[in-house]
Amino acid sequence: SAVISQKPSRDICQRGTSLTIQCQVDSQVTMMFWYRQQPGQSLTLIATANQGSEATYESGFVIDKFPISRPNLTFSTLTVSNMSPEDSSIYLCSVETGRGANTGELFFGEGSRLTVL
Amino acid sequence: KQEVTQIPAALSVPEGENLVLNCSFTDSAIYNLQWFRQDPGKGLTSLLLIQSSQREQTSGRLNASLDKSSGRSTLYIAASQPGDSATYLCAPGTSYGKLTFGQGTILTVHP
Repeated sequence: SAVISQKPSRDICQRGTSLTIQCQVDSQVTMMFWYRQQPGQSLTLIATANQGSEATYESGFVIDKFPISRPNLTFSTLTVSNMSPEDSSIYLCSVETGRGANTGELFFGEGSRLTVL
Repeated sequence: KQEVTQIPAALSVPEGENLVLNCSFTDSAIYNLQWFRQDPGKGLTSLLLIQSSQREQTSGRLNASLDKSSGRSTLYIAASQPGDSATYLCAPGTSYGKLTFGQGTILTVHP
């Protein structure tokens, strides 16, 4: 399966600041997906990122709060803007690739654990 | 809106036992269903993928079944080992890349 690298792996941020999370995949993929896991909760899809077009956001998530870039087929960024303590979560990047190609099987990065003070 | 329930929420067993983890979902119009494990502080590891047209998938000591019409999936772990200790997540997919996750079953296998 593909190697999915996320940076930073963890960070502590101040309220009101913004942080950009990077996701790098070692193979070209059509779509990349960003998920959030709040403390004690399960994962929720934030948005789908296609190369060359704007991201598609799920209900409850907006571009102003979570802008996403997808400059090429191996890289994406998610920015968490104007952070509040409620944004403290693990943010995970996901792709369908490798043995999962064309099957819908998703693979996840290690996640970026953000703590907002 | 898809809702996913996993039972039990937590399970503690001695090594060697055969285990059954249950998952139910409310919307049977799924694309596929994946089982994952998540170790503390880590990302997700894909265990098994079942397409909507399939009834079961097997990988080593793991077997997952899917009854799409009744909205149920079961993960069977044979001969459990301490290394199996993790949170197990069930995630039906209602469209490409869109998974809805359950809260997970926290499994502890003690020697």
